Amino acid sequence: SQTIHQWPATLVQPVGSPLSLECTVEGTSNPNLYWYRQAAGRGLQLLFYSVGIGQISSEVPQNLSASRPQDRQFILSSKKLLLSDSGFYLCAWSVSGMDTGELFFGEGSRLTVL
Amino acid sequence: GQNIDQPTEMTATEGAIVQINCTYQTSGFNGLFWYQQHAGEAPTFLSYNVLDGLEEKGRFSSFLSRSKGYSYLLLKELQMKDSASYLCAFSDSNYQLIWGAGTKLIIKP
Repeated sequence: SQTIHQWPATLVQPVGSPLSLECTVEGTSNPNLYWYRQAAGRGLQLLFYSVGIGQISSEVPQNLSASRPQDRQFILSSKKLLLSDSGFYLCAWSVSGMDTGELFFGEGSRLTVL
Repeated sequence: GQNIDQPTEMTATEGAIVQINCTYQTSGFNGLFWYQQHAGEAPTFLSYNVLDGLEEKGRFSSFLSRSKGYSYLLLKELQMKDSASYLCAFSDSNYQLIWGAGTKLIIKP
C-alpha cells in the first residue's frame, strides 16, 4: 500500500532563518506531488506541484521554493522566513495521468515563525 | 473562470442530521470530492462523485448535480467526533483539485 510521510511535525523558527520541510512517498511510482499551506481557520492554498523529477510549478510567488531531487521526494525550502510564512504545511500526492485527482495527504507540519 | 463556495460555519445537535452545501463553477469537471479535517490534522477522504445522484456510505452521503454545479454532504446521526471542517473540492480539466475554504461544523450535545 502507498504511504506518505512528512517531517518535521512541528517547528518554531525565528524570522530570517532558513526552512526545510521534507516529504516522501512509498509504494507508488511517478506520483504527482504537492505542497499546500493552510493558515489558521482558512482553506488550502496550493504552493507548488510537481509531475516529475526536477519539474516544479509554482502557484503563488513568495520566498518559498520547492525541489524534487528523487521521484518520491519533495522538499519545501526557504532561505529567509517571514512572519507571514507561519501556517500548517501539507504535502500530498496523487496518481499521475488521467485519474480522478484524489489527493492523499501527509500528516502536516506546523510552522511558527517568531 | 473557476470558483467554489461553501458556508463558513454550521452548528448542529448530536443525533441530528446536517447538510453541508457546495456550489461551483468551472468549464472542465472531473468529479467532486469531500474531505474531513479535524483541527490540527490533515484532511482525510470522505467521498467522490463524478455522476449525478446520491452516494451513500454509512452515516455519510454525498450528492451531485452537474447541471446545477451543486453538491451536498449529508451527515446523519451526528456524533461529537463529527465536529470538524468539511472541505469541498472539484477536479478540473487537468485533474487538479480546486478547493473551497471549508465548512467548520460544530456539534452541540
